[in-house]
Amino acid sequence: DVVMTQSPLSLPVTLGQPASISCRSSQSLVYSDGDTYLNWFQQRPGQSPRRLIYKVSNRDSGVPDRFSGSGSGTDFTLTISRVEAEDVGVYYCMQGTHWPGTFGQGTKVELK
Amino acid sequence: QSTLKESGPTLVKPTQTLTLTCTFSGFSLSTGGVSVGWIRQPPGKALEWLALIYWDDDKRYSPSLKSRLTITKDTSKDQVVLTMTNMDPVDTATYYCVRNWWQQLADYWGQGTLVTVSS
Repeated sequence: DVVMTQSPLSLPVTLGQPASISCRSSQSLVYSDGDTYLNWFQQRPGQSPRRLIYKVSNRDSGVPDRFSGSGSGTDFTLTISRVEAEDVGVYYCMQGTHWPGTFGQGTKVELK
Repeated sequence: QSTLKESGPTLVKPTQTLTLTCTFSGFSLSTGGVSVGWIRQPPGKALEWLALIYWDDDKRYSPSLKSRLTITKDTSKDQVVLTMTNMDPVDTATYYCVRNWWQQLADYWGQGTLVTVSS
């Protein structure tokens, strides 16, 4: 299985400040069609995960534009431009290029 | 708007077989490119893909659990069923069903169902 490694695992943040999460895969995530199937999910306490970003940098419908994704190959980043209180939760990267899809360990974002 | 909902037992005994049903609406599993899958999350831990079934009845299983899993679909009822044999306490987890579109996975999630394995 492809191993997804996130850092940091805990991220204390200040309201209004930016925050970034890194995700690295153990092998390239470029699929045979040329696309890279790297997603980001947010899981608020007590809720199901929600997909925020698909194919590295595409925001899902309804996702605020303060969330952005970047990267290529094996290195990816989720950035929150200005953290809001509702952004508290655990964030997971997930690759869908190779079966089975695999998730990172999760990064817990909490307010300082 | 696509919705999914999991149903099944909340408690199973070790060695028993777990059967979970995902009932969905807002999309059809007859549409090309659509698939429905199962993901689980042990308490306080990360997420793990289990199985996937495509509109054409192709199936994928997690290699580490393949011998214990079976996924089927009933298009007329808009349901997908996952069975997992020989349940163990380490299988205690919240089980989610998700919708997928071609290689774009997990755009919609069910609310999840917590299954506890205990005697």
